[in-house]
Amino acid sequence: NAGVMQNPRHLVRRRGQEARLRCSPMKGHSHVYWYRQLPEEGLKFMVYLQKENIIDESGMPKERFSAEFPKEGPSILRIQQVVRGDSAAYFCASSSFIDGQGFYNEQFFGPGTRLTVL
Amino acid sequence: KNQVEQSPQSLIILEGKNCTLQCNYTVSPFSNLRWYKQDTGRGPVSLTIMTFSENTKSNGRYTATLDADTKQSSLHITASQLSDSASYICVVSATNNNDMRFGAGTRLTVKP
Repeated sequence: NAGVMQNPRHLVRRRGQEARLRCSPMKGHSHVYWYRQLPEEGLKFMVYLQKENIIDESGMPKERFSAEFPKEGPSILRIQQVVRGDSAAYFCASSSFIDGQGFYNEQFFGPGTRLTVL
Repeated sequence: KNQVEQSPQSLIILEGKNCTLQCNYTVSPFSNLRWYKQDTGRGPVSLTIMTFSENTKSNGRYTATLDADTKQSSLHITASQLSDSASYICVVSATNNNDMRFGAGTRLTVKP
């Protein structure tokens, strides 16, 4: 059972270009989370999605950033018109169903995509 | 103000020594607390998960404690190894299941 997969592992973009980050959750997981980690800082929640639905995007910048998790295929985090401040590691995590106590929502993380904006 | 505070920010110890990392939180209502290990350049990996009723949980040389009254947790590492060098992240969940609060992590370096 493969773990969470992210690609590309490294992505270099020039200012103004678009960045597309992909995340394939673990088999059987229908919940996907995206996090951003700046150098020497902790993980910051961006967005939580289920299949075809955005559940919580409170951590995502209002402009230039968007996320989707289609019925088929991986989840995509899209950053339009990238700026140098977007340089960071972007981690995706997935979980299975969630119960009322939150116990079953353990998140399994992917290896991350390191975005560098020149 | 972050609802999960970890200390120390960084720590250097010699191989074979023990150490304890701290996590204080204000997340409420509390659901569970996890400790993750994040190696440089990798994604976090879960070490332990503790619910309200659990005071201690071990995973090999890692032992986590939880005091839900004082809202404190610790991660104790015994007989440290070079491979323990990593960031250790405390994550607290509220009963709103997708509301997970991450600490900034403690960067542990184990030297030979």
